[in-house]
Amino acid sequence: DTGVSQNPRHKITKRGQNVTFRCDPISEHNRLYWYRQTLGQGPEFLTYFQNEAQLEKSRLLSDRFSAERPKGSFSTLEIQRTEQGDSAMYLCASSDPTERYEQYFGPGTRLTVT
Amino acid sequence: DAKTTQPTSMDCAEGRAANLPCNHSTISGNEYVYWYRQIHSQGPQYIIHGLKNNETNEMASLIITEDRKSSTLILPHATLRDTAVYYCIVVYSGGGADGLTFGKGTHLIIQP
Repeated sequence: DTGVSQNPRHKITKRGQNVTFRCDPISEHNRLYWYRQTLGQGPEFLTYFQNEAQLEKSRLLSDRFSAERPKGSFSTLEIQRTEQGDSAMYLCASSDPTERYEQYFGPGTRLTVT
Repeated sequence: DAKTTQPTSMDCAEGRAANLPCNHSTISGNEYVYWYRQIHSQGPQYIIHGLKNNETNEMASLIITEDRKSSTLILPHATLRDTAVYYCIVVYSGGGADGLTFGKGTHLIIQP
């Protein structure tokens, strides 16, 4: 297994457009996390899945954001009606259930909203 | 989760030991200390964690004071590739939130 992968690595979109990012976790990990990171700040937690169930959502996850993990494998994060404030790095991580804080991160998707 | 305080930045000479401090004076008995680092343009990377005993792995050593109010991450022989932002995170082991709370971390610069 090559680790957590994310696609695309970079996305430029115009304000008001919808965007979708994909995350493929480490195959034997059943927990999957999404974070957002803006310049100069540490990552901020957005949401987490255990298998296909979304168990936790941060208040940062506005109603324009939706995440899915339909078969408990890959996950998608969609942002509707993007705003300039959504420009950030979106990071995905996965973990084994016995070591939930030992999270393995992907390289991230950098979103720029113009 | 207990809050942590870390210096904004530190320098260390290549080949020397890098000692990164973290203050977590409000930590409770069932909270662990985790360390991650983030190299420029990459996702964070797990380094090590501990509860109250000192820990060592292939990447680093973690020294936790007896009162558990502070800890030090030690990179024994720093290389240029260790230049990164290092995050100290305190997490509760007894359930609850699974998301990690990152602060701003310490930007460690290894000088040649």
